[in-house]
Order: sequence, then C-alpha cells, then structure tokens
Amino acid sequence: GDSVTQMEGPVTLSEEAFLTINCTYTATGYPSLFWYVQYPGEGLQLLLKATKADDKGSNKGFEATYRKETTSFHLEKGSVQVSDSAVYFCALLSGYSTLTFGKGTMLLVSP
Amino acid sequence: KAGVTQTPRYLIKTRGQQVTLSCSPISGHRSVSWYQQTPGQGLQFLFEYFSETQRNKGNFPGRFSGRQFSNSRSEMNVSTLELGDSALYLCASTKDDLTGWDEQYFGPGTRLTVT
Repeated sequence: GDSVTQMEGPVTLSEEAFLTINCTYTATGYPSLFWYVQYPGEGLQLLLKATKADDKGSNKGFEATYRKETTSFHLEKGSVQVSDSAVYFCALLSGYSTLTFGKGTMLLVSP
Repeated sequence: KAGVTQTPRYLIKTRGQQVTLSCSPISGHRSVSWYQQTPGQGLQFLFEYFSETQRNKGNFPGRFSGRQFSNSRSEMNVSTLELGDSALYLCASTKDDLTGWDEQYFGPGTRLTVT
C-alpha cells in the first residue's frame, strides 16, 4: 500500500537558519503530494502541494519539488522564524479524499 | 466563513464504554473524512463520507463506525473503548464538486482519553 516516510525530529534550528525536512513516498502511479503543518492545539493546515512530477509547491517561504525519479518531496525554507515552530507532515493523496501521512517532524526554532 | 467544528474538544471515557464524536463541515462542503492521530502510529485514515454514503474506509476494526447526515454533518462512534483508542480524532471537510482535487480543511480535533 501507499506509505510516506519523513525524517524524525525534533529538528532544532536557530532563527534565520536553513530548513530541510526530508520526505519520500511509496505509491502506485503518481499521486498528488502535500505538506501540512500543525500548530500546538490546532488541526492541520495545508502548507503547499504539487500534483505532478517536477511541480514545485510554495507558500510562506516554504518550497518543495515533486521528484518522481527519487520519489521525494523534501520541504525547504531559506530562513526560518520562531513562528515556524510546529509539526510538519508530508502526505500523499491515496483516494478521493484519502490522505496517507508521514509520522510528522517537529520543528523548534529558537531566537 | 466558519471553519470545521468538532465537538466535544475533550473527552474522558472508561474502558468498555462507547463514545460519539461530532463534526460540522464548512458550509457547502459535501465530503467529510476522519483521522486518528496518536504518538505511536501518527495520522491514520478512518473513513470518508460523501452524500451520506461511506466512500472509503481505512484499516480499523468494526468498533469504529461513522455516519453522515443530509446536512453533511458527520458523527463517528467507537464502541467498547480500549486504552489504545486514546487519541486526537481529526475531522476534515472537502467541497468535492467532483471536478478535481479540493483542499481538505481540518477541524481542531477531539482529544479522547480512555482510562
């Protein structure tokens, strides 16, 4: 079945550091890929998405490129802020509205 | 516009009891999905409802069930609760006008603790 593997956290960075959170997937065909973010005490919010190979999703300074050859969708940001501290989930669309998620990566950014 | 609402936000139950959780989707949204979030297993898909019909189901035992009403509101029920059912239960709604993928909007979740 479909699966998503992402790097375990927590990832601890200083403000303005460069962020990379790795994500790889296993799926039949070429599913749409997503990054969601969860702030403490809240539900998930869609951060960015890519629906086909070589697409680059971007939002709020975050970027991720759909790499078919390496089945990856790594999340990057050039300069993180304290307000970016949250848990980040990589996911793929498995059905009509069925998302398969990775385990999540906690990001902690210190001033 | 109002987001996805879930009630109650927190719940404490005893093993063997049953529980019903409620989800009100965004107005106009027709699809509702449920997910279980635990520290060990992460986010796992439970089931999805569209126009009062279960359209997809995850790999959970029959103790987990759900339904959707004509106004798209959804409930999920867990019978004979076990300690391992302690989790954050998230509901997500999608417009789903069948023309392509729509963003899923998540509610804040219901935190269920089984003692």
